[in-house]
Amino acid sequence: GNSVTQMEGPVTLSEEAFLTINCTYTATGYPSLFWYVQYPGEGLQLLLKATKADDKGSNKGFEATYRKETTSFHLEKGSVQVSDSAVYFCALRIGDMRFGAGTRLTVKP
Amino acid sequence: EAGVAQSPRYKIIEKRQSVAFWCNPISGHATLYWYQQILGQGPKLLIQFQNNGVVDDSQLPKDRFSAERLKGVDSTLKIQPAKLEDSAVYLCASSPERGREKLFFGSGTQLSVL
Repeated sequence: GNSVTQMEGPVTLSEEAFLTINCTYTATGYPSLFWYVQYPGEGLQLLLKATKADDKGSNKGFEATYRKETTSFHLEKGSVQVSDSAVYFCALRIGDMRFGAGTRLTVKP
Repeated sequence: EAGVAQSPRYKIIEKRQSVAFWCNPISGHATLYWYQQILGQGPKLLIQFQNNGVVDDSQLPKDRFSAERLKGVDSTLKIQPAKLEDSAVYLCASSPERGREKLFFGSGTQLSVL
């Protein structure tokens, strides 16, 4: 079936550090891929997406590239801020949306 | 545009009691989803509606959970009777159609079963 596997957390970084959160997927067909973010006390919101192979999604300094050959969609940011502390969910969609387990990121000043 | 509305925001019940959650999706969105998010985990799909028809309810525990979307607009999710392991946030989401685009999420209903 369709599923995503993402890097287990928690991840703790210092401000301005480089961030990578790994995500790989299994799918029958060609899914769209997403990163959702859940800030403390808030609902899920879309961070970025890519709908086909080699597309790069980007938003708020975060990037992820849809890699069909490695079935991956890793999330990266060059310099994290304290305000990036949240739980990040990788997801795929073919019809319905399937989420990974989430990775909690804490950024310390 | 108004977002996905859910109520109540919080609910505390005792095990074996029943509870219902309500969701009003974004106007015009044909597809509606109910997800269960247990603390520390990702959202898990319970049921998906396309207009007023069920598209996927394979992960819905049908012995205790039920959901309906009678007029193809708002939806209710019911649990009867509740168990301790049902404690979770119940998220409603909608999208314009069953496809590849993003979902719009409500704020969720946090259920505590004591």
